[in-house]
Amino acid sequence: AQTVTQSQPEMSVQEAETVTLSCTYDTSESNYYLFWYKQPPSRQMILVIRQEAYKQQNATENRFSVNFQKAAKSFSLKISDSQLGDTAMYFCVKGAQKLVFGQGTRLTINP
Amino acid sequence: DSGVTQTPKHLITATGQRVTLRCSPRSGDLSVYWYQQSLDQGLQFLIQYYNGEERAKGNILERFSAQQFPDLHSELNLSSLELGDSALYFCASSPWRTSGVDNEQFFGPGTRLTVL
Repeated sequence: AQTVTQSQPEMSVQEAETVTLSCTYDTSESNYYLFWYKQPPSRQMILVIRQEAYKQQNATENRFSVNFQKAAKSFSLKISDSQLGDTAMYFCVKGAQKLVFGQGTRLTINP
Repeated sequence: DSGVTQTPKHLITATGQRVTLRCSPRSGDLSVYWYQQSLDQGLQFLIQYYNGEERAKGNILERFSAQQFPDLHSELNLSSLELGDSALYFCASSPWRTSGVDNEQFFGPGTRLTVL
């Protein structure tokens, strides 16, 4: 079975700091998508960023960027200039049709 | 707002009962997915429908079933409910085609099911 592993159950940083969330995954596919979703206290699932496995260039979305290492099957998320509104559970997700979720990292941004 | 709607928001019922969760996808999306988020199992894919047909199945129990109607809304039926079925059930939709890998899924707000 495909798995996605997030080794950091919880993280906490001060506002404006940079934080990196780790993720590794298992796959036998050559082409796939990777995502980071956030789930704030409202429980809504919100797409943060996506990476296409066949693209070598790392995806960026404003303050969010990824470090995609295909050979190592690693997909980390970096949040720069963190804000209080970034407080949420972050899920690393792999898939195209059915999504496979990691266990999540609970990120708290402190004022 | 993702454009995906789910009803009801909350549902409280007793063991042994049957409930139906409803999902309306974003306008134009043909594919609907159901996920279960529980404390024990995390987030798990249950089932996918595309234009009325079942396309993929995940860890869905035999007591659970789903369907997608001609107007593309979907229903997830949960029967013989057990305490362990208490969870947040998400519906997601995407325009997904049979070709291509591109598949951004837009999630609804979820239905919280509590089985007492």
